[in-house]
Amino acid sequence: NAGVMQNPRHLVRRRGQEARLRCSPMKGHSHVYWYRQLPEEGLKFMVYLQKENIIDESGMPKERFSAEFPKEGPSILRIQQVVRGDSAAYFCASSRGTVQETQYFGPGTRLLVL
Amino acid sequence: AQSVTQLGSHLSVSEGALVLLRCNYSSSVPPYLFWYVQYPNQGLQLLLKYTTGATLVKGINGFEAEFKKSETSFHLTKPSAHMSDAAEYFCAVSIGYGGSQGNLIFGKGTKLSVKP
Repeated sequence: NAGVMQNPRHLVRRRGQEARLRCSPMKGHSHVYWYRQLPEEGLKFMVYLQKENIIDESGMPKERFSAEFPKEGPSILRIQQVVRGDSAAYFCASSRGTVQETQYFGPGTRLLVL
Repeated sequence: AQSVTQLGSHLSVSEGALVLLRCNYSSSVPPYLFWYVQYPNQGLQLLLKYTTGATLVKGINGFEAEFKKSETSFHLTKPSAHMSDAAEYFCAVSIGYGGSQGNLIFGKGTKLSVKP
């Protein structure tokens, strides 16, 4: 049973470009969470999605960031017009449900903005 | 608002020594509590979790944690450190209802190093 998959593992972008991060949840999981980890910081919640629905995006910056989890295919975190401050590790987690269900994390995408 | 405090960003112990990683939380309702471990350039792996029931929780790799409501703590321990335990450890809390719906709130992490 494959775990949570994220690609790419490393992504380099120049300021102003777009970054697309993909996350395929574990088989049977319909809940996806995105977290961002800045250097020397813990993980910060960004957005929680179920298939075709954004449930909670309270941790998402209001501009340039968007997320989707279509009926078919992976969840996508999209960052438009990247800036240096977007450089971080972005982790996706999936679970079967909410509340006390365990969230399983992917290996992360490390974004570097030049 | 919920928050998690991990005392000490770095901890160094000798191989075979006791490991104690401290975690205190702030929550107005009974929380669900988690410990995750992160090895360099990898994702997070669940060590153990507390939801309800027995307050002493045993996890993988010989780790355990005890939920103490009166102290709002969930400290992680291992009786004897192994070199392979060197990693970063994160405590997290989830209140599991309402707007957060299970979103994890993480502490800043504690990097554990193990000396031979």
